[in-house]
Amino acid sequence: DAGITQSPRYKITETGRQVTLMCHQTWSHSYMFWYRQDLGHGLRLIYYSAAADITDKGEVPDGYVVSRSKTENFPLTLESATRSQTSVYFCASSAGFSYNEQFFGPGTRLTVL
Amino acid sequence: GQQVMQIPQYQHVQEGEDFTTYCNSSTTLSNIQWYKQRPGGHPVFLIQLVKSGEVKKQKRLTFQFGEAKKNSSLHITATQTTDVGTYFCAGPMDSNYQLIWGAGTKLIIKP
Repeated sequence: DAGITQSPRYKITETGRQVTLMCHQTWSHSYMFWYRQDLGHGLRLIYYSAAADITDKGEVPDGYVVSRSKTENFPLTLESATRSQTSVYFCASSAGFSYNEQFFGPGTRLTVL
Repeated sequence: GQQVMQIPQYQHVQEGEDFTTYCNSSTTLSNIQWYKQRPGGHPVFLIQLVKSGEVKKQKRLTFQFGEAKKNSSLHITATQTTDVGTYFCAGPMDSNYQLIWGAGTKLIIKP
């Protein structure tokens, strides 16, 4: 039972480069989420998706792009990485929306130099 | 805008002492969820409270949802080293059912 996986687990990149973080879940959950976690800010929602081909912005979407062509995958792309995007990124999935628990992946630690 | 405030930010306790974290919402919540994140790990769901005044227990953990459904608390009795981590509350937004997260309370066991 793989659950929800993220890759890479660690990434170092340079300012201005494009970076894609991958997220894959095996539960066929409808909802998927991308969060970033920074000290003092808890978890902040970047984007979420209710189903394949349906995505919407969260609290902090600027500088990020998502897609969801298949239910099980939800990649997050930083089009032109900035230092302020240095963070830990978590992908999560849920069978429902606000009444269902979210299952989190192990996270990707991204450093932008 | 809608906010979920969580206090304290940190709590240092001796092993065996109790721990409490409080969560307050600016609006009435339909439900509230609690998660635990171990150091270096990812958030893991603990429980969901739905009813006004609801109290649920999981071994040494007691969760409460306020009568007005605007506040919640997590109390741990006789903390153990396995309790170390950050505890988050989260509640759904009114407008689009996204979860709004508290900033978390970090439980630290004094050596």
